[in-house]
Amino acid sequence: GQSLEQPSEVTAVEGAIVQINCTYQTSGFYGLSWYQQHDGGAPTFLSYNALDGLEETGRFSSFLSRSDSYGYLLLQELQMKDSASYFCAVRALNSGYALNFGKGTSLLVTP
Amino acid sequence: NAGVTQTPKFQVLKTGQSMTLQCAQDMNHEYMSWYRQDPGMGLRLIHYSVGAGITDQGEVPNGYNVSRSTTEDFPLRLLSAAPSQTSVYFCASSPVERPYEQYFGPGTRLTVT
Repeated sequence: GQSLEQPSEVTAVEGAIVQINCTYQTSGFYGLSWYQQHDGGAPTFLSYNALDGLEETGRFSSFLSRSDSYGYLLLQELQMKDSASYFCAVRALNSGYALNFGKGTSLLVTP
Repeated sequence: NAGVTQTPKFQVLKTGQSMTLQCAQDMNHEYMSWYRQDPGMGLRLIHYSVGAGITDQGEVPNGYNVSRSTTEDFPLRLLSAAPSQTSVYFCASSPVERPYEQYFGPGTRLTVT
């Protein structure tokens, strides 16, 4: 089976840097994805790591370490609009094209 | 492109009623899926399809049926609604070469009384 663990809530100050961690247990997987969801909205794709290391997309970066079964999403220069829920998701080797999502981390950015 | 569209946006059903949630995409994506989202539970996969005529079950398929007669459409049918199916339902699509990059519809908020 698969399981993903994320902190349920994180609070950070505008302009700061925040890291949202994701640990997973799966027998094998293709990669780790991250999605953002604002209240009342639909999830939107942020980033994907197929290989170990850091992927950077503007203010957002994502990291994967397969040996540690661990990944994180790094948000820099936080803005109020970054207040949202963030989900990590894995596509397991034995699940075809299906994604398995974590329960999400609610990020609150304060002034 | 309209992307992924879902109808209706809101729906209230009585226990035992049936209904179909509609989902369509105009991006020619082969892969489509249905999720339900409940507070604190993240997104749970109900059913998915890798192309017309091909569907498979996800994590929570009981009480739901799907079919995929065209690339564009992937309706979700609730056979006999139960209060436990009160949830927000999202449809998503992605190209087969990038299944990790899913595009979500705006969601359907369903309440079963």
